[in-house]
Amino acid sequence: NAGVMQNPRHLVRRRGQEARLRCSPMKGHSHVYWYRQLPEEGLKFMVYLQKENIIDESGMPKERFSAEFPKEGPSILRIQQVVRGDSAAYFCASSPGQYSGANVLTFGAGSRLTVL
Amino acid sequence: SQQGEEDPQALSIQEGENATMNCSYKTSINNLQWYRQNSGRGLVHLILIRSNEREKHSGRLRVTLDTSKKSSSLLITASRAADTASYFCATPQTSGSRLTFGEGTQLTVNP
Repeated sequence: NAGVMQNPRHLVRRRGQEARLRCSPMKGHSHVYWYRQLPEEGLKFMVYLQKENIIDESGMPKERFSAEFPKEGPSILRIQQVVRGDSAAYFCASSPGQYSGANVLTFGAGSRLTVL
Repeated sequence: SQQGEEDPQALSIQEGENATMNCSYKTSINNLQWYRQNSGRGLVHLILIRSNEREKHSGRLRVTLDTSKKSSSLLITASRAADTASYFCATPQTSGSRLTFGEGTQLTVNP
């Protein structure tokens, strides 16, 4: 029973290119969360999705960033026209669709984006 | 300052000693969680304490919650070198919603 799978683990892009990060949630989980972590810092919330639906995108930058979680396939975080400040570790987490008021997250190993 | 702030930022102890980390938060919560992150890895859930609980144990971990002071502590007893990691507290914005993480405490356990 694989956990949360993220790929790629490492991604190098030049300024202006696009970065696509993928996340397959844990089996049985229907909620996906994306977080960003800069070196030596905590996790900053970006977006919360369910299948085909964005629930909370209050942490997403207004431009260049988008996320989706289609009916079939992994969730994708897309960063267009990357800049050096986008260099960070991007973590995906998932949780079950049903809960008793406590949302415990299962995290992937992260995707580390380096923008040259 | 933001929801879920850990203190201290860094802690260095010897193997066998106890490590205590604190977390303060601002809004009302129905639960508080602690996670661990080993260097270069994702976060792993350690323990959850509900708002109607004052203390909870799991192996060498002890978590306390004081809702009147809006604070929690994580105690790791008889620490081991393998406990070296960053520890984060996390609180939900609303019931079942996204978690907000603090900046973390970097714990180093020296052999």
